[in-house]
Amino acid sequence: QSALTQPASVSGSPGQSITISCSGTSSDVGGYPYVSWYQQYPGKAPKLMIYDVSKRPSGVSYRFSGSKSGNTASLTISGLQAEDEADYYCSSYTSTSTSVSWVFGGGTKLTVL
Amino acid sequence: QVTLKESGPALVKPTQTLTLTCTFSGFSLNTNGVRVSWIRQPPGKALEWLGRIDWDDDKFYSTSLKTRLTISKDTSKNQVVLTMTNMDPVDTATYYCARLPPAEYFFDYWGLGALVTVSS
Repeated sequence: QSALTQPASVSGSPGQSITISCSGTSSDVGGYPYVSWYQQYPGKAPKLMIYDVSKRPSGVSYRFSGSKSGNTASLTISGLQAEDEADYYCSSYTSTSTSVSWVFGGGTKLTVL
Repeated sequence: QVTLKESGPALVKPTQTLTLTCTFSGFSLNTNGVRVSWIRQPPGKALEWLGRIDWDDDKFYSTSLKTRLTISKDTSKNQVVLTMTNMDPVDTATYYCARLPPAEYFFDYWGLGALVTVSS
């Protein structure tokens, strides 16, 4: 069981918008402004899409945006395109008095209909 | 240009020790703030963070795996090494190394991954 909870799958038609949720706790998602999102195609390495909840790395389409409310983060993809069909993982930094770690969600498979 | 590449055995037997090497370029682990993590992904399953080594040789490990993990670095070779003892079939996964930029909390560059199968 993953530390963060994501829907197993979402789908949308080209041009539509979809949102993927990522639920955690006050010890991870809710406790730090360090949620990131990764896109992964089958057999490929993950690619950073969003960091620090809502920032986009250079080169990532403006159609990707992130937000957070309480212990739940969200990734929104607007103007869906066929190339967006992939798996998406959220991640959050977390720490204790003696260590640090990262937790990931179980992943969400996005299907573009 | 930052690149990372994992290398090591594709197949290990149960109870054996796995050693994987991450060879990187385009940055230095001598640079203040740079860190490298190991992350794995069992087939069809989610990502799991394993541990991290810092430019100053500080190390952090997953709580659930810390008794089995060792991460070390050789800055002269631009390499980070992951050692995992007492391998089990449930450890079958693609193992990734990834960079954390200084003072940041995300993984900006990932290697292509190395699939390790644990089977007798």
